[in-house]
Amino acid sequence: EADIYQTPRYLVIGTGKKITLECSQTMGHDKMYWYQQDPGMELHLIHYSYGVNSTEKGDLSSESTVSRIRTEHFPLTLESARPSHTSQYLCASSEAGADNEQFFGPGTRLTVL
Amino acid sequence: DQQVKQNSPSLSVQEGRISILNCDYTNSMFDYFLWYKKYPAEGPTFLISISSIKDKNEDGRFTVFLNKSAKHLSLHIVPSQPGDSAVYFCAASLYSGNTPLVFGKGTRLSVIA
Repeated sequence: EADIYQTPRYLVIGTGKKITLECSQTMGHDKMYWYQQDPGMELHLIHYSYGVNSTEKGDLSSESTVSRIRTEHFPLTLESARPSHTSQYLCASSEAGADNEQFFGPGTRLTVL
Repeated sequence: DQQVKQNSPSLSVQEGRISILNCDYTNSMFDYFLWYKKYPAEGPTFLISISSIKDKNEDGRFTVFLNKSAKHLSLHIVPSQPGDSAVYFCAASLYSGNTPLVFGKGTRLSVIA
């Protein structure tokens, strides 16, 4: 069973606030990902990491930043939240060189007022 | 430009009948395909995958078919059960394990008892 955790599950904040969405996995996976998903839309990759101190931007432009200081931890930060950031944020991880099965966390539903 | 397309946003099927979910892709370099299932307020869970060297993969009630010449794959669920009601995402990868997945927009399946 996959062990990947996201906190908080739900967050409602005001415009201009700085927020960090947490993602941790206990499987020792090298690869981790952040997706953004709106209802009825595809999962858009916003950031990914293939190992410690390695981060890349995904195909969807995002004002968020990520860090990968430890294998198990991949937090996403928004310096100044705006209503356009309202969405569901999904974190995932996978093994290096595996058949690309990604394990997803439960997601964070962010609402910016 | 959407590389993975799920043209049916929703599908309703009677319990016990077959559910067929379709997915088309435009990039002939994709060589690995996956189906994920997503319940509301949860992250996607892996269902079944297929490599481009195969044309069929079966796992219990779930079978995925790949038609490379048509750049088309389909997921068959037989027999359909009410618990199968969820959003199903098709995903594709350029090189197994080496690039992030590209997702379709999903198809919402409703299995009616």
